[in-house]
Amino acid sequence: GEDVEQSLFLSVREGDSSVINCTYTDSSSTYLYWYKQEPGAGLQLLTYIFSNMDMKQDQRLTVLLNKKDKHLSLRIADTQTGDSAIYFCAVYSGNTPLVFGKGTRLSVIA
Amino acid sequence: EAGVTQSPTHLIKTRGQQATLRCSPISGHTSVYWYQQALGLGLQFLLWYDEGEERNRGNFPPRFSGRQFPNYSSELNVNALELEDSALYLCASSIRTGGLYGYTFGSGTRLTVV
Repeated sequence: GEDVEQSLFLSVREGDSSVINCTYTDSSSTYLYWYKQEPGAGLQLLTYIFSNMDMKQDQRLTVLLNKKDKHLSLRIADTQTGDSAIYFCAVYSGNTPLVFGKGTRLSVIA
Repeated sequence: EAGVTQSPTHLIKTRGQQATLRCSPISGHTSVYWYQQALGLGLQFLLWYDEGEERNRGNFPPRFSGRQFPNYSSELNVNALELEDSALYLCASSIRTGGLYGYTFGSGTRLTVV
């Protein structure tokens, strides 16, 4: 089945850019998502990209998809302390539930 | 529009007891998904219900079960609780073809087994 991998921790300084990476195994993946989880809360959908796209930009967020390498990244420009959270990559490969990575804990240092 | 609601917010049970967790999806969503988020393990898929039927099941023992009601709400039952069942249980909902729009998550039920 699908396997989704993410690095567990990332620390950046306020105002810098953050880049969170994700790799997946199923080349038939059609939709790929980034979710954000703040302490004590559920998951909030941040953005998504279709497999026929290479890049998607949404305000401070930029998603890059490299289908050949099965690599997805989320760039957060001008990272703020309010961006501190756990970020999950999720992949949809057809009529099966979303598969999530273990999440990357982003810490923003003021 | 109301989001996905889960109850209770917190639940404390003794080992060997049963727990029942409830979820109400967004209006118009027919699919409900249950995930377990244990410390350090990310989100593990438990169960998927759509139109009252179980569509898919994750790699969990049979003591994890559930159902979906005619109004599309759902409950998750965990029998013979073990200490390692302590986790945040997240419910999500989507339209039938969930892949296009992703899932909308509730805030979760924190289950603690003592």
